[in-house]
Amino acid sequence: QSALTQPASVSGSPGQSITIACTGTSSDVGSSNLVSWYQQHPGKAPKLMIYEVNKRPSGVSNRFSGSKSGNTASLTISGLQAADEADYSCCSYAGTGTYVFGSGTKVTVV
Amino acid sequence: EVQLVESGGGLVKPGGSLRLSCAASGFTFSTYNMNWVRQAPGKGLEWVSSISSSGNYIYYADSVKGRFAISRDNAKNSLYLQMNNLRVDDTAVYYCARHDWGFDYWGQGTLVTVSS
Repeated sequence: QSALTQPASVSGSPGQSITIACTGTSSDVGSSNLVSWYQQHPGKAPKLMIYEVNKRPSGVSNRFSGSKSGNTASLTISGLQAADEADYSCCSYAGTGTYVFGSGTKVTVV
Repeated sequence: EVQLVESGGGLVKPGGSLRLSCAASGFTFSTYNMNWVRQAPGKGLEWVSSISSSGNYIYYADSVKGRFAISRDNAKNSLYLQMNNLRVDDTAVYYCARHDWGFDYWGQGTLVTVSS
C-alpha cells in the first residue's frame, strides 16, 4: 500500500492551465476507474473535486477535469484562479476494499 | 445538510488506547459505506479503514491492521474507531468520510497526538 506519486508542487499564473499527475501501479490506478481527486485548503477538510476518473460532483467548476492513461491519472485546472491555490490529492481503489491516496501536490498561483 | 462530526481525539502515551466517534446527520447513514482517513502533520492523506453500510465488510490499511477496529451503530447514526497500542507515527488528524462514488463528505477532523 505505497502512496501514489504526485509532484510536490505545481505553479501557474492566473488564467493558465496546469496539470497534476498521479502515478500508481497496475494494482491500483491502472486497474481501477475509482480514481478521485480532492482539494484541501489549509486547516480545512478535503473536498471531492473529481470521481470515477473524470466525473465532477454537482457544484464543482467545469474548470476542473480528470483523465487517466495506463497507471497515471491526471487533474487539469484550466483558467487558474487565486482560489484554486490549495493542496490536491489523488486517490485510487487498490483492491480488496482498500484505497490509496497520493502524496499530495501544492498548487501555487503566482 | 450532510454533517459528520468527529470527537474523541486527544493526547495519549505510546501503547495507549483511544476511541474516536463520528456522528452523522442529514442523510440515511445506514445506506452508505463509511471510512476513516488520517493526515499526519504536514503530510498527505492516508486511508485507514472502511466499513460497509451493514457493517458486514471491514477493511484496514496494513499500517493499522491488528491495532485498530472500526465499527458502526446504524441506530445511532454513528461511526467509531477503536485505536489500541498507539504509536508515535499514529499522530494525525483523523477524518470520518462518507463514500459514495468518491469520499464525498468529510468531517472537520479530530486530532490524535501520541507522545510520551
